Amino acid sequence: GAGVSQSPRYKVAKRGQDVALRCDPISGHVSLFWYQQALGQGPEFLTYFQNEAQLDKSGLPSDRFFAERPEGSVSTLKIQRTQQEDSAVYLCASSFQVQVGSYEQYFGPGTRLTVT
Amino acid sequence: GQNIDQPTEMTATEGAIVQINCTYQTSGFNGLFWYQQHAGEAPTFLSYNVLDGLEEKGRFSSFLSRSKGYSYLLLKELQMKDSASYLCATSGFQKLVFGTGTRLLVSP
Repeated sequence: GAGVSQSPRYKVAKRGQDVALRCDPISGHVSLFWYQQALGQGPEFLTYFQNEAQLDKSGLPSDRFFAERPEGSVSTLKIQRTQQEDSAVYLCASSFQVQVGSYEQYFGPGTRLTVT
Repeated sequence: GQNIDQPTEMTATEGAIVQINCTYQTSGFNGLFWYQQHAGEAPTFLSYNVLDGLEEKGRFSSFLSRSKGYSYLLLKELQMKDSASYLCATSGFQKLVFGTGTRLLVSP
């Protein structure tokens, strides 16, 4: 079946521009996660949705970052007034959440954001 | 807070066995994951340990000791395609906390 998809795969933005990154999770997956991965580093948690509810946004680095999942499926991560330090790969993951603490997260291919 | 340590880089030859270690300190522990990530690609699930002991899955095995805050990933019969980054991650409530990853280079 189809995996997690993300678009665009690559985005170049000028400093100060707003960007919107889209994630289509696996159909039926309740949980959706956003991670930020800098070059040579592991992914870092940004935010988590269970259906349409954003249950944890503790990883969002500033109030310029905003995420939504209005209908409990597709999610959008928006970054306002982009800065160079926002350059990274943004990964989306989803899980079926069969059992709390025992769940596999399926990752999308990521969006590579470059802020110039 | 949570802290995860793993070696930055390892090298090995085709056909050999390699062990990638991971130590962690975490408040709230719901298991430990290993993911494989090829350059420019998404992380893919390898293993999950929540109880102490060894989990074997084909050429890959993963071990966990909760009392020691220690895990390892064992790769046997290395193949060139195993060249990738291997990410250790602890799970708290839902979210994963990743280490920086170990880049494994397999040479002929």
